[in-house]
Amino acid sequence: LAKTTQPISMDSYEGQEVNITCSHNNIATNDYITWYQQFPSQGPRFIIQGYKTKVTNEVASLFIPADRKSSTLSLPRVSLSDTAVYYCLVGKGYQAGTALIFGKGTTLSVSS
Amino acid sequence: EAGVAQSPRYKIIEKRQSVAFWCNPISGHATLYWYQQILGQGPKLLIQFQNNGVVDDSQLPKDRFSAERLKGVDSTLKIQPAKLEDSAVYLCASSLAGREDQRNTIYFGEGSWLTVV
Repeated sequence: LAKTTQPISMDSYEGQEVNITCSHNNIATNDYITWYQQFPSQGPRFIIQGYKTKVTNEVASLFIPADRKSSTLSLPRVSLSDTAVYYCLVGKGYQAGTALIFGKGTTLSVSS
Repeated sequence: EAGVAQSPRYKIIEKRQSVAFWCNPISGHATLYWYQQILGQGPKLLIQFQNNGVVDDSQLPKDRFSAERLKGVDSTLKIQPAKLEDSAVYLCASSLAGREDQRNTIYFGEGSWLTVV
């Protein structure tokens, strides 16, 4: 399984765009990149998943360069409620029943 | 759609006592996971079931932890005897076990908080 490295913490203010970068130098050809969000006292929640280039949904965007050795989760115009831990995971996202291996994640703190 | 249900939400026990956690996955989800999350760390996989069979239990401390999923639906995780270092949140999660082209989104419950004193 590819190991991921992401910043331990980040600070931002309401209304700003936040970009969290994750490095995964040993990503395998059939690995997907998945981001989860975890609020205090809750289980992690799926945010976005991608394989290459750019993926966008109603919550975030995921940018993946051609070499796929890193990825960037972009949260547009964050609010206080976006304060959470964000996990970057790499694995066979489309292989049914594959467990996710979590690192320590990035703690995002949003202030007013 | 109902999410992953877990109980109890909170439990405080003394060391050397036993405790059991229950999980009901999302209807139709064949794959069930138990994760342990210690404060300040990411979740760590303890055991993974596919229907009622164990897929991966390599990180389950089998001398004190056990888990079962007898009918391929609900699951129980037991700790006996508990140690102080077992204080953590125990997260149950589930996912579909479908075709390879299906997105493998794993859905988590809110967790069962265990404090061992």
